[in-house]
Amino acid sequence: DTEVTQTPKHLVMGMTNKKSLKCEQHMGHRAMYWYKQKAKKPPELMFVYSYEKLSINESVPSRFSPECPNSSLLNLHLHALQPEDSALYLCASSRGGAETQYFGPGTRLLVL
Amino acid sequence: AQSVAQPEDQVNVAEGNPLTVKCTYSVSGNPYLFWYVQYPNRGLQFLLKYITGDNLVKGSYGFEAEFNKSQTSFHLKKPSALVSDSALYFCLRSGNTGKLIFGQGTTLQVKP
Repeated sequence: DTEVTQTPKHLVMGMTNKKSLKCEQHMGHRAMYWYKQKAKKPPELMFVYSYEKLSINESVPSRFSPECPNSSLLNLHLHALQPEDSALYLCASSRGGAETQYFGPGTRLLVL
Repeated sequence: AQSVAQPEDQVNVAEGNPLTVKCTYSVSGNPYLFWYVQYPNRGLQFLLKYITGDNLVKGSYGFEAEFNKSQTSFHLKKPSALVSDSALYFCLRSGNTGKLIFGQGTTLQVKP
């Protein structure tokens, strides 16, 4: 099973709202990732967790706050977002290093 | 610096004809190379990867790719295209840190 699940599928939020995106995998992967993708562009890495610890933060604004409660779950907390943050947010997991990353279906976020 | 290039923004192919989506990579370290496909409003699906060994790599849905060290290329191929193959294709390489380096993507359009 190479499934990564993400909820919700769609999210509309105002600039003052607080919301969270959730990602889950049960493949025993030790690395989990958040990406942001604009239409027809390659995904941009935001955060990497390795063994539940944040290992890479690609200078992401603090209005995005990741959390890894356990080895299967990854959250992305959103607060005071801007309209330009509207995008497809993808979660991925892997065994780490240069191993294959498996992506979830994404959350389509619209910030009004 | 490690990089990946997909020289074509779009490739148009008639159904039943062979298809090729081109990818070249920079010569830096040992390239771990991947192809992923993305259907509209979906996450990325892993197709195949080259780590080492046989230069011809077979993947999902009848796709294959040939690693060519002298030409620093990793073109994606399929002998007979299907309309359902129409999607956005990404070539990418992986570094030891787990970061993926994406090509800019190629839209494949297969016409009946």
